[in-house]
Amino acid sequence: DQQVKQNSPSLSVQEGRISILNCDYTNSMFDYFLWYKKYPAEGPTFLISISSIKDKNEDGRFTVFLNKSAKHLSLHIVPSQPGDSAVYFCAASEANAGKSTFGDGTTLTVKP
Amino acid sequence: GAGVSQSPSNKVTEKGKDVELRCDPISGHTALYWYRQRLGQGLEFLIYFQGNSAPDKSGLPSDRFSAERTGESVSTLTIQRTQQEDSAVYLCASSRAWWQFFGPGTRLTVL
Repeated sequence: DQQVKQNSPSLSVQEGRISILNCDYTNSMFDYFLWYKKYPAEGPTFLISISSIKDKNEDGRFTVFLNKSAKHLSLHIVPSQPGDSAVYFCAASEANAGKSTFGDGTTLTVKP
Repeated sequence: GAGVSQSPSNKVTEKGKDVELRCDPISGHTALYWYRQRLGQGLEFLIYFQGNSAPDKSGLPSDRFSAERTGESVSTLTIQRTQQEDSAVYLCASSRAWWQFFGPGTRLTVL
């Protein structure tokens, strides 16, 4: 049973437009959600996070939205840039559990 | 500044051999994690160390897999009697907060 799901394996967006990456989860005990970005041959790097007590967190071009009732979160990138092309992983953690559960990732391609 | 480092970066081994993968976490990070990423798949949790607490080994796929950590420093992941399905990128991460800092990974190929 996959507790964190990213149903879109890939997404292609034109430069300057908005990229929306989605993530669904099933475990209601998750209380912290994170997005990581991964370039080929590198480890993932932390991008942005949100606590379950919030519904939005913004950092520059990146905004994460959380809908707890729907157990859904999304990452918005606007405007998208070619350098944003990477694999994006959604992850979730329970308080005091330490480990994070990752989705399978979405490959974002931003076309110039 | 020093990030998480892993060695070797690539390892090719023959089926049945044992391999040891090393992770050097960021200094001061009390938590250390090992993940596995098979080709085209997501990150699969293997094991988690937090300070002096007993490690969370719930993700280890079989008893051929084991890991150790010395205090809050280096960790080694050992795979005994490797199988072809063990071929993957093995990622190590460390943290002292909610988010994790990942190393570049070790690409293991079992022939």
